[in-house]
Parts: sequence; structure tokens; C-alpha cells
Amino acid sequence: AQSVTQLGSHVSVSEGALVLLRCNYSSSVPPYLFWYVQYPNQGLQLLLKYTTGATLVKGINGFEAEFKKSETSFHLTKPSAHMSDAAEYFCAVTPNYGQNFVFGPGTRLSVLP
Amino acid sequence: DTEVTQTPKHLVMGMTNKKSLKCEQHMGHRAMYWYKQKAKKPPELMFVYSYEKLSINESVPSRFSPECPNSSLLNLHLHALQPEDSALYLCASSLGQGAVGELFFGEGSRLTVL
Repeated sequence: AQSVTQLGSHVSVSEGALVLLRCNYSSSVPPYLFWYVQYPNQGLQLLLKYTTGATLVKGINGFEAEFKKSETSFHLTKPSAHMSDAAEYFCAVTPNYGQNFVFGPGTRLSVLP
Repeated sequence: DTEVTQTPKHLVMGMTNKKSLKCEQHMGHRAMYWYKQKAKKPPELMFVYSYEKLSINESVPSRFSPECPNSSLLNLHLHALQPEDSALYLCASSLGQGAVGELFFGEGSRLTVL
């Protein structure tokens, strides 16, 4: 069984500040991990994913995340927030046969001018 | 083509109506999904089709009836819905079982049940 927790249902940062969104998971098998972004009234868009290999993964829009097995974490970061980053962010996990995706509760990111 | 297309974008229906939501992808994906999303909540899995066969049904009420006519199409038939069924319904696809890939989502169908 898998589960995902995201610390902080709402995170506010100033424009230009570091963005850090936290994700911890539990999985009984090697996980594949994903971050998705959702803008209002839209579907979910993939930001980045970890499957195997390099534990630091880079995604779109300047985001990156690091898979830390010892900490069961996959935190999302961006060095400098932009107003357009304001959205809902979901972390997701699936086992390595890739069908049973489980989503975290989401973190709403606000970017203040 | 990396798109999942959902129609209609908005649907309003009464509790006695029958309607359908449609989803199409042309990425050669063999797994297709229906998710339900309420406001400020994560997507909640309803159904998964793998190679056109229903592989997961998350104890969804029978007033929701999925159908996968072929590998590119996924429908969700709606009948006798309740107001609490109002939500954003998201279709997604992925490579399929045994091949890891991310979910590709459509823009969703916003359903309102009066």
C-alpha cells in the first residue's frame, strides 16, 4: 500500500523567494514519484518525475525535486518564485508497475508581489 | 500529439437525466482512467481500464458506468446522479501496466447536478 503526505496545505512566498513544497511517501515497493501542478479550472500537468537513476530531477518551469530514499521524501523546489507559479501542487506515487497512482492532499502555493 | 481531450467541458444535468462524458487520446496509451475531483481536494480514482478491460473499480456507485469502446476512447455514462456528484471529472491515460509512465490528464469536465 502507498500513501503520500504533503506538509502544509497552503504555502505563501514572496516573488523571487525560494519555493519549497514538501512531500513524504510510504510505499512497500520501489516507488515512482511525480509532481503535478493544477491551475484553476484545468487538469493536472506533470512538472517532473522520478523513476530510476539520478535522484535529483529537473522539471519544467525551473522546478526540481530530489528523491531521498532514507527520508522517504521527494520535496519540490524552485530557486525564485514567479507570480505565474501560484497554483495547486500535488505529489503522487505509484509502484514500479505503474498503474495505481496515489495523490497527496495538495499544497496551494500563493506568490505575493 | 500529447493530448487527452475531454468533452463536454461543462455539463449541467438534473437528477433524472442520462448523459455521458467522453475522453479521447491518440498517444497509443493502453491504460485510461477516470478521476473525480472535488474543490480543494486531490483527484480521487474511480476506474482504470487496461488494454480496454476494466481493471480497477474503486467501489463507485452504479449510477456511474464506464465504457472503453477502443484503446483511444473512454466514456463515463451518468444516470440518476445526486447533487453531491457535482465535481470536476478528469480523464487520464498512461502507457499501461508493465510500462511505467506518468499520467496525462485532460482539462476535465465540470459537472453540476441540480
